[in-house]
Amino acid sequence: GAVVSQHPSRVICKSGTSVKIECRSLDFQATTMFWYRQFPKQSLMLMATSNEGSKATYEQGVEKDKFLINHASLTLSTLTVTSAHPEDSSFYICSARFSRTDTQYFGPGTRLTVL
Amino acid sequence: GESVGLHLPTLSVQEGDNSIINCAYSNSASDYFIWYKQESGKGPQFIIDIRSNMDKRQGQRVTVLLNKTVKHLSLQIAATQPGDSAVYFCAENVNSGYALNFGKGTSLLVTP
Repeated sequence: GAVVSQHPSRVICKSGTSVKIECRSLDFQATTMFWYRQFPKQSLMLMATSNEGSKATYEQGVEKDKFLINHASLTLSTLTVTSAHPEDSSFYICSARFSRTDTQYFGPGTRLTVL
Repeated sequence: GESVGLHLPTLSVQEGDNSIINCAYSNSASDYFIWYKQESGKGPQFIIDIRSNMDKRQGQRVTVLLNKTVKHLSLQIAATQPGDSAVYFCAENVNSGYALNFGKGTSLLVTP
């Protein structure tokens, strides 16, 4: 149980294009999901908290107009990187909170490369 | 600012030995802690968690110890196996919004 999926697992795009990443909780409902960013050999950095049916809460320094988050259902949150640039290249990981225990379960991550 | 950190960035152990990974936290208000294992190119995998009203919790081959007096958390892995090689992160619940603050990570290398 408590499986979280992400799609795509890897994406390469041209600078200036937008990329959408999906995060799904497969066997539980998650009112709260989180988006993290991880650079090589570094820890996870929280970007935003995604709440079902309401606006996402962004961490300081994260541009909400650049990283659009939509939590349209209890099992799906999406992150759209708009007008991507090479510096946006990173490993993006989502997590979903299992409300019964407060535990966050993570997806497998999405490797974004912007050329 | 307050943060979660790890004492040792790398740890090398022989197969079959016990491993201990340490973590210090500074937010005295934290009440929930989790250990994650991350293999290269993958998302973090839940290992074990503990709440602040407990000092110790055991799972399969793993034990988490919490010392609130010195704000210290540790993960013990018994009979370490090559498959345990990964980066291990401790994380703390920083507020009522359930967001997690991650430590820097310890790379565990298990040698045959």
